[in-house]
Amino acid sequence: QVQLQESGPGLVKPSETLSLTCTVSGLSINSAYYWGWFRQTPGKGLEWVGSFYRGGITHYNASLQSRVIISGDTSTNQFSLKLNSVTAADTAVFYCARKCQRSGAFDIWGQGTMVIVS
Amino acid sequence: AIQLTQSPSSLSASVGDRVTITCRASQGITRALAWYQQKPGKPPKLLLCDASTLENGVPSRFSGSGSGTDFTLTITSLQPEDFATYYCQHFNDYPLTFGGGTRVDIK
Repeated sequence: QVQLQESGPGLVKPSETLSLTCTVSGLSINSAYYWGWFRQTPGKGLEWVGSFYRGGITHYNASLQSRVIISGDTSTNQFSLKLNSVTAADTAVFYCARKCQRSGAFDIWGQGTMVIVS
Repeated sequence: AIQLTQSPSSLSASVGDRVTITCRASQGITRALAWYQQKPGKPPKLLLCDASTLENGVPSRFSGSGSGTDFTLTITSLQPEDFATYYCQHFNDYPLTFGGGTRVDIK
């Protein structure tokens, strides 16, 4: 079955770049699915960060657009998130997920990874 | 960005109760709405998409309705495993946004 797993540093210093990777198993990231990144904080709840589609098509949350890049690597079947110039406000649990083909909902999620900016 | 307002933000209920959660969109989104369940320390789990289409494997006690700006998630007979936080999410356009969540706990 399709599984997603986030990985990356759990601690990032302010002003540096947060880098996370989502490893997908059971399905190629080059298949006809969008892949997304989300974050969750107690204060702001669930927030969509951005989405990636094969061929390098991306959509970003405008609130983060100037700081975020999402890209994919078909050789490793991973897609990644880079968020630069981080502050304490970027401290969150980050999730990667797969979007349903037939709708804009996300049906398969990774377990999430906590990132602290300090 | 479209804002989604969920109500109530929390509720207490007993096993067997009927529970209704509402989600109101700041503008019309036709039926481009999903509902998720989330338990502590776990990722969201998709329950329904397109406002009322039950995801495979989700019990039939969960149902959704609505279109335009007003949506409802109903749990007809609350089970112990249903105590969780529920979120709506729209996919009418970008940015995708979520409601603030409704926590359902044990009375």
